[in-house]
Amino acid sequence: GQQVMQIPQYQHVQEGEDFTTYCNSSTTLSNIQWYKQRPGGHPVFLIQLVKSGEVKKQKRLTFQFGEAKKNSSLHITATQTTDVGTYFCAGLMSGANSKLTFGKGITLSVRP
Amino acid sequence: EAQVTQNPRYLITVTGKKLTVTCSQNMNHEYMSWYRQDPGLGLRQIYYSMNVEVTDKGDVPEGYKVSRKEKRNFPLILESPSPNQTSLYFCASSFAGGYNEQFFGPGTRLTVL
Repeated sequence: GQQVMQIPQYQHVQEGEDFTTYCNSSTTLSNIQWYKQRPGGHPVFLIQLVKSGEVKKQKRLTFQFGEAKKNSSLHITATQTTDVGTYFCAGLMSGANSKLTFGKGITLSVRP
Repeated sequence: EAQVTQNPRYLITVTGKKLTVTCSQNMNHEYMSWYRQDPGLGLRQIYYSMNVEVTDKGDVPEGYKVSRKEKRNFPLILESPSPNQTSLYFCASSFAGGYNEQFFGPGTRLTVL
């Protein structure tokens, strides 16, 4: 079936290091969303990308949508312990009847 | 305050005892959905509703029922819970499905013994 892939599922970084994670779809996406779930919490919306090649920044976080609208990346500059959590991407498949498909998420841990 | 609420937040029950998890949103959203979250499997959609009286199966609907009689409420019903339904459940809502930001409830941690 149609899938949104996030690999790996876990990543550990030293505080201050940069971090990049990717999200790949088997089909073209109408949009892609990113969510963050803190330990013990619920997913919280971070950003939505709609246009091919779109880049959006939120402080130290940079989000990019691929030219073919099949992949996306999240880059965190100079990670901090507050960045700890699980990051999910979610894609809306073209013609998908409004249904978002979530990736399995990547859990980021940051060593102080 | 705009929010999605779920009750109960924690529930321990036994196999076969019917239960309902309630979900309510105060944002006048048309789209609501239920997800379950299991280690290593991410968020999987159980059911969704695009409007009152309009519901459809998600990716893992077996063993669950839903109803959408009012716009603000979207209860999840487990008629005969089994241990493999032990999970963390999230309700979410949005204005227009996957075209908009999803607002998630705080989650319900269910254990079926």
